Amino acid sequence: KNQVEQSPQSLIILEGKNCTLQCNYTVSPFSNLRWYKQDTGRGPVSLTIMTFSENTKSNGRYTATLDADTKQSSLHITASQLSDSASYICVVSAMNPLDSNYQLIWGAGTKLIIKP
Amino acid sequence: NAGVTQTPKFQVLKTGQSMTLQCAQDMNHNSMYWYRQDPGMGLRLIYYSASEGTTDKGEVPNGYNVSRLNKREFSLRLESAAPSQTSVYFCASSYLRDRGLGNTGELFFGEGSRLTVL
Repeated sequence: KNQVEQSPQSLIILEGKNCTLQCNYTVSPFSNLRWYKQDTGRGPVSLTIMTFSENTKSNGRYTATLDADTKQSSLHITASQLSDSASYICVVSAMNPLDSNYQLIWGAGTKLIIKP
Repeated sequence: NAGVTQTPKFQVLKTGQSMTLQCAQDMNHNSMYWYRQDPGMGLRLIYYSASEGTTDKGEVPNGYNVSRLNKREFSLRLESAAPSQTSVYFCASSYLRDRGLGNTGELFFGEGSRLTVL
């Protein structure tokens, strides 16, 4: 069964510190992986898209890595700010074997709280 | 720039009542989606529309109907609400018609509609 699991479920860190969020997936065949940021009470917003051939991708203070062999991705946040408080969701695109169409498999997210 | 607009933002229903969630996008996108988000779970696709006049079931379509009125608007209807439909509903849109978004597509979400069914 196609699954996306994220850890930890929640994380509290002090402002200015770094953190890393994990995403493991059991999806095949794999097409690409996305990270979304969801502020409380808002819809998710895309942070980055990684294809099978990409290992690392940065977007400002956010750096995503992908290891397609171990089926793991991480999102590293550098020098955290209060505005980074949000849920971070990992999404994998995979082919549905029932109809051969691609679909998005969403993780449950990691809730990150930045304390001053 | 309005993007994706959903109404209402909050709604409380009694079991058995019906209601329609409205969604409109002003980005000239082809595809529109309805998702539900429940605590501790990933977003689950309810219905999807690749273009005006076409709709497809997602993972959890039971108890819902949709209508793609035109390119801009995609509504979600609950005919007889049940407590299990208590959730936050998100409408999203994408320029691509590929449900998997390919390697470049992005989803743009509305702010959500919080529905409680008593």
